[in-house]
Amino acid sequence: GEDVEQSLFLSVREGDSSVINCTYTDSSSTYLYWYKQEPGAGLQLLTYIFSNMDMKQDQRLTVLLNKKDKHLSLRIADTQTGDSAIYFCAENSGTYKYIFGTGTRLKVLA
Amino acid sequence: GAVVSQHPSWVICKSGTSVKIECRSLDFQATTMFWYRQFPKQSLMLMATSNEGSKATYEQGVEKDKFLINHASLTLSTLTVTSAHPEDSSFYICSARDLARGMNTEAFFGQGTRLTVV
Repeated sequence: GEDVEQSLFLSVREGDSSVINCTYTDSSSTYLYWYKQEPGAGLQLLTYIFSNMDMKQDQRLTVLLNKKDKHLSLRIADTQTGDSAIYFCAENSGTYKYIFGTGTRLKVLA
Repeated sequence: GAVVSQHPSWVICKSGTSVKIECRSLDFQATTMFWYRQFPKQSLMLMATSNEGSKATYEQGVEKDKFLINHASLTLSTLTVTSAHPEDSSFYICSARDLARGMNTEAFFGQGTRLTVV
């Protein structure tokens, strides 16, 4: 079945860039998403990328997609303490289901 | 973006009782709602998918008689945890999509419900 993997932890200093990586197995993925989850809260959509795109930039967020390697990354520029959260990538292959990654816990050090 | 309201945010109940969690789409019609369970420091596990006016589709390993899902209107779905036990303690999250607008429409998530069974 489909599988989405992420590294579990990332720690960066405030002001540095963060790069969160995600790999997936479903080659028919049409949309790939990045969600942010703060403690005790639901998921907030940060950004998404369509599978025929290589890159998408949205303010401090840059998404890179390598479809050949099935690799997705989220870069957060000028990371702030408020960016500390769990980040989930998710893929959707045009069905009703989203497949979520394991989540990456980002800790931003002041 | 659209708003999905989940209620309650947290609940403590006694073992053996039932708990109902509501998920409402406030400003759009949710043809499909999803219920997830999230264990500490883990990803979201899809429990079931409900379409308005029809029976929910449960994922493998999820007991449909224990986790009752009702999606009677385009703006409300409920999850009832029946005869709750301590192992049902978890964070439950709903999400809603308007699939009448296409399969790639965005999913909006509720704030989650922390259930503790004592």
